[in-house]
Amino acid sequence: DSGVTQTPKHLITATGQRVTLRCSPRSGDLSVYWYQQSLDQGLQFLIQYYNGEERAKGNILERFSAQQFPDLHSELNLSSLELGDSALYFCASSPRTGYNEQFFGPGTRLTVL
Amino acid sequence: DAKTTQPPSMDCAEGRAANLPCNHSTISGNEYVYWYRQIHSQGPQYIIHGLKNNETNEMASLIITEDRKSSTLILPHATLRDTAVYYCIVNFGNEKLTFGTGTRLTIIP
Repeated sequence: DSGVTQTPKHLITATGQRVTLRCSPRSGDLSVYWYQQSLDQGLQFLIQYYNGEERAKGNILERFSAQQFPDLHSELNLSSLELGDSALYFCASSPRTGYNEQFFGPGTRLTVL
Repeated sequence: DAKTTQPPSMDCAEGRAANLPCNHSTISGNEYVYWYRQIHSQGPQYIIHGLKNNETNEMASLIITEDRKSSTLILPHATLRDTAVYYCIVNFGNEKLTFGTGTRLTIIP
């Protein structure tokens, strides 16, 4: 158990819909990262927040957005969902920027029908 | 971040040492080598990292060649629970991890 929690575990929705994935980092960790793992693209970095501020962006679609709240939990919002958005979404946390080890949560499996 | 090359799959007998190679010939002087693994569809798990010197922790050892163009992750006494995909990642110690396709390690009973 990494100490990072993600909800929900599974999510099934239809194309065109909007969903929110939630992540609670380890206690005291200020950095939160989001990754997407799909069958054809592998594990890809989406975005990072540090203490409430966006710090780094990866291959995140414009239909996706994220935020980190004052209590440090983070949410990833996916809108206008397409079949290709079906994937595992992982959240990770680390104590500070530049820290070498990221602690990953168990992931949210999103299925878009 | 420098590109890494890993064999797609490897087998290792239970109880033996598993040696997983990684080539990173374009690594720059201040880039680190990280290893993570992913068991089935669980979240990736950090194993070890290094810059120049060999490193060891409770999970594994990391051997980096003197020219830093390749490295080897060693699991000293592999168990069935070590069956996973192992990712070698090279970056500057920044936060964005770029995962390749990794090596699927299967531990054989």
